[in-house]
Amino acid sequence: GAGVSQTPSNKVTEKGKYVELRCDPISGHTALYWYRQSLGQGPEFLIYFQGTGAADDSGLPNDRFFAVRPEGSVSTLKIQRTERGDSAVYLCASSKGGSETQYFGPGTRLLVL
Amino acid sequence: GDSVTQMEGPVTLSEEAFLTINCTYTATGYPSLFWYVQYPGEGLQLLLKATKADDKGSNKGFEATYRKETTSFHLEKGSVQVSDSAVYFCALSDLTGGFKTIFGAGTRLFVKA
Repeated sequence: GAGVSQTPSNKVTEKGKYVELRCDPISGHTALYWYRQSLGQGPEFLIYFQGTGAADDSGLPNDRFFAVRPEGSVSTLKIQRTERGDSAVYLCASSKGGSETQYFGPGTRLLVL
Repeated sequence: GDSVTQMEGPVTLSEEAFLTINCTYTATGYPSLFWYVQYPGEGLQLLLKATKADDKGSNKGFEATYRKETTSFHLEKGSVQVSDSAVYFCALSDLTGGFKTIFGAGTRLFVKA
């Protein structure tokens, strides 16, 4: 079946702009995760959804970052007033439940100029 | 907080050589341990996992044993192939700290023919 998909695959924006990154999890997966991966580093946890609610948002770096999952499927990561330091690959993963194996999407590469 | 430390790369080996990538962890609870692999141009994939002490995870000729006494989860393969060239990430998920996964910085492996 289809894996986790993320759109866009690449996003270039200017400092100060607003961006939205989308994640389509595997059908039936109730848990969804966002990570950020900077060059040469491992993925860094941002937020975890169980269903529609954010069960753990402790990894969001500041209030410019926000994520939603209104119907318990697709999720959108929103970044306001982007900064050059936000440039990274944003990864989404999903799993059947919170303790199950996570399946990762290909990521969205964000470049803030 | 929880953390993962893995050996720095790059690691360069000749085909059929023995591979070891060291990984140690710090966790307050009883984590599950994982190795993920990222092949060039592809997304993160789960390679193997172990959920409790003394468990051995294995897949595609790779093995890692969960050693609680040394807080380690070293990745090994007896005979590497060119197709094993990738970045390998050690990771943990500690349910007492939520469902997020903590990743190491990654180790790049180059295998020469």
